[in-house]
Amino acid sequence: NSKVIQTPRYLVKGQGQKAKMRCIPEKGHPVVFWYQQNKNNEFKFLINFQNQEVLQQIDMTEKRFSAECPSNSPCSLEIQSSEAGDSALYLCASSLSGASQNTLYFGAGTRLSVL
Amino acid sequence: GQQVQQSPASLVLQEGENAELQCNFSTSLNSMQWFYQRPEGSLVSLFYNPSGTKQSGRLTSTTVIKERRSSLHISSSQITDSGTYLCAMGNYAQGLTFGLGTRVSVFP
Repeated sequence: NSKVIQTPRYLVKGQGQKAKMRCIPEKGHPVVFWYQQNKNNEFKFLINFQNQEVLQQIDMTEKRFSAECPSNSPCSLEIQSSEAGDSALYLCASSLSGASQNTLYFGAGTRLSVL
Repeated sequence: GQQVQQSPASLVLQEGENAELQCNFSTSLNSMQWFYQRPEGSLVSLFYNPSGTKQSGRLTSTTVIKERRSSLHISSSQITDSGTYLCAMGNYAQGLTFGLGTRVSVFP
C-alpha cells in the first residue's frame, strides 16, 4: 500500500564514519518525515520537510545529522560521524499534509548498525 | 511521561481467537493512526481513525476522542497477524507520537 522507497535497507558503519540514507516519498506528497526507532521500540521524530523547506527538527538533528529534500531528487538523511547509539531503524514517511489531517505512509526503513 | 500508552505490551493468541488492543492518550487528540509493523521493520498503515469506528476485513478500530482512547479489535486471528501493532497520535509539528506497541504472537 505504501509507495515510499527507502534505500539502502541495511547499512553497516564504523564509529566516526558517515552514514547516508535516502527516501523517495509517494508521488504528490509534499510533506516528508524522518523518524528513528531504537531497539526498545521508541520512535523519535528527527526532522520534517514541506517540499524543500525544513518545518521542524530536533536538537540532535541540528548537530550531527543533516537532511535535505531537493526538488527532483530523493530526500536524504546523513549522519556526519556515526556513534554506537545511532544504531537504529530509520523510517521515512510522506503525507499530503500534516499528520493531524492525513495518513502518513512509511517506507520499509533503513536499519543502521554502527560497530 | 509517555503521551501514548499501549496495552497489553504483548499478547499470545491461539489461531482463531479474538483480541483487543488498547491505546490511551494523555493529551487532547487531533488524529490517530494504527500501524502494523512487520518483523523486518516496515510499517503498514491499518487505519487513519480520528474518531468513530472503522472496519477493514477482520480488523476494527474504534476511537473515542473525549475519552482519549482508541482500540483495535482483531477477530479470528491468523498466524500471519503476528507482529507489532502500533498506535500513534497525530500532531501538526512532529507528525506522529507513537506508543511502544503491542507484540502479537499467534500460534496454531
